[in-house]
Amino acid sequence: DIVMTQSPEYLTVSLGERATINCKSSQSVLYSSNNKNYLAWYQQKPGQPPKLLFYWASTRESGVPDRFSGSGSGTDFTLTISRMQAEDVAVYFCHQYYSTPLTFGQGTRVEI
Amino acid sequence: EVQLVESGGGLVQPGGSLRLSCAASGFTFSSFWMTWVRQTPGKGLEWVANIKQDGSEKYYVDSVKGRFTISRDNAKNSLFLQMNSLRDEDTAVYYCARGRYCSGPNCYSDSWGQGTLVTVSS
Repeated sequence: DIVMTQSPEYLTVSLGERATINCKSSQSVLYSSNNKNYLAWYQQKPGQPPKLLFYWASTRESGVPDRFSGSGSGTDFTLTISRMQAEDVAVYFCHQYYSTPLTFGQGTRVEI
Repeated sequence: EVQLVESGGGLVQPGGSLRLSCAASGFTFSSFWMTWVRQTPGKGLEWVANIKQDGSEKYYVDSVKGRFTISRDNAKNSLFLQMNSLRDEDTAVYYCARGRYCSGPNCYSDSWGQGTLVTVSS
């Protein structure tokens, strides 16, 4: 199974400042035949289901503000919020869909 | 607008059974892989099962193999999860989700329902 490890578990950021969340997979999720990283990022607010932010590691889902960015390849990935807003308070999860069992990181709670 | 509405959760004793349903609307249900994912405070998000568009392929996490069965009724735009021999550790919120850009069962989910709570306890 591919283990997804996020860091940090908790992150406190001031309004307008940058937030950086890391995700590391126990094996590469880069599929060589199409050069795509099978890595997604989700945002979850209290009482809500996860919301898709990025897929293929860096492709922003429609409607996601451009202050959010995803990067990385192979085993190391990053989600960045360039200028933290109050509405960005949430738990963020990375997710590999390279192989079954599909697995998620344990989550990073981001607060103001 | 894509809508996924789960139902069927509740309190069940260990060893019991439950059948979860997910009613889909706003998209062509029969064109998408579908997924069940569960969430607990302790274990976070856990993928449970995927099913192909026509129901011909099904994949499960090891911890539920032989106990849970995923199925679908494309005529009724519905997804199901039959859960038997339930254990304490199956207690979770269960989400129905739509798969996108799937390579076989390897999908990310782009739309999720609100979830239904399953509590296994005596």
